[in-house]
Amino acid sequence: DVKVTQSSRYLVKRTGEKVFLECVQDMDHENMFWYRQDPGLGLRLIYFSYDVKMKEKGDIPEGYSVSREKKERFSLILESASTNQTSMYLCASSLSENQETQYFGPGTRLLVL
Amino acid sequence: GQNIDQPTEMTATEGAIVQINCTYQTSGFNGLFWYQQHAGEAPTFLSYNVLDGLEEKGRFSSFLSRSKGYSYLLLKELQMKDSASYLCAGGILTYKYIFGTGTRLKVLA
Repeated sequence: DVKVTQSSRYLVKRTGEKVFLECVQDMDHENMFWYRQDPGLGLRLIYFSYDVKMKEKGDIPEGYSVSREKKERFSLILESASTNQTSMYLCASSLSENQETQYFGPGTRLLVL
Repeated sequence: GQNIDQPTEMTATEGAIVQINCTYQTSGFNGLFWYQQHAGEAPTFLSYNVLDGLEEKGRFSSFLSRSKGYSYLLLKELQMKDSASYLCAGGILTYKYIFGTGTRLKVLA
């Protein structure tokens, strides 16, 4: 079974803080994704990565950056957290360059005060 | 533009059959995914349709019509544990996925 883990289930941060969300997958997947999920808006893609050190912007990259130094790990960084970044953050991975099933981590619920 | 629509909420009775519809307008469409998401948990994969027609997996079936931009998820013999949100997602281009806002299904005893 594919396992995708995220560093925290719940996180509370203050406005202006730098926030790191970590995601690790154990199935040697090529692709990794970061989404945020908000009521009434569904899942929206922030960034994705199709290889180590490669990244592509998704639909809402503003205010975020990512890092993929190792194949199994994909980090989402909020450079200066703002209250409108309060959300559920979901990491996902998929096997290869073809359209594949995504496997999701348990999510991190971030509250920015 | 890219758009996926599905009903916000549905209610059904235990033991019944329910059909959750999804319509999409996308370019570069590859196939259609369905995910189940229980409250506070991650989405889990249910089905993937690339070709037109019905795919059956136990109590769950999924249908796709590419010409009509339409899919549905059919749940039979509903159980209380089927109460969840059901997400429709279109795979477009190589890496991208467009998600609907999800349909919250309540199963009543």
